[in-house]
Amino acid sequence: KNEVEQSPQNLTAQEGEFITINCSYSVGISALHWLQQHPGGGIVSLFMLSSGKKKHGRLIATINIQEKHSSLHITASHPRDSAVYICAVRGSQGNLIFGKGTKLSVKP
Amino acid sequence: DAGVIQSPRHEVTEMGQEVTLRCKPISGHNSLFWYRQTMMRGLELLIYFNNNVPIDDSGMPEDRFSAKMPNASFSTLKIQPSEPRDSAVYFCASRGTGTYEQYFGPGTRLTVT
Repeated sequence: KNEVEQSPQNLTAQEGEFITINCSYSVGISALHWLQQHPGGGIVSLFMLSSGKKKHGRLIATINIQEKHSSLHITASHPRDSAVYICAVRGSQGNLIFGKGTKLSVKP
Repeated sequence: DAGVIQSPRHEVTEMGQEVTLRCKPISGHNSLFWYRQTMMRGLELLIYFNNNVPIDDSGMPEDRFSAKMPNASFSTLKIQPSEPRDSAVYFCASRGTGTYEQYFGPGTRLTVT
């Protein structure tokens, strides 16, 4: 079993839909990251959180430490949101342990 | 700030050749990470430096891989000899003191034929 599991692996949505991507982990963590990888390959850090909820524009990230679960929500999705979204947890050495990613495609 | 700089952006080489990937972290950052991304395995940590010292190299696949950080502004990842299965995108990331957030470079796409 992978230490970080994401679902779904692939997601297709229509423009304007509300999107949820889930991440579950099995190791103790001090922080969880959501990353976005653009079609061109570049990786951008969206959120880093260790409790509660964070919001940035149309993106919302939540984490439940007790349940070892985090969600990334996108409201009013747009084709430019099409990317791979990666959940990563911070390991004991400060490194990141990555999920396999969720490939999101938003159709106009 | 120029962000994390990696070179080259693309590298195509023949099996058996030596490959050197380079990374310049964000100025003032004291941690540096090398990652590899493949379709099969996704992103994996290869090695992690803190204050130029390797802290965790358990992800380095085998002796053909080596990494150095001679100073706070430069790191290299070397593969010698290279093999086709080393084909991947190699990312470097850096992190400042007292923060968990890592900043990724644009990656080097390596193709070994």
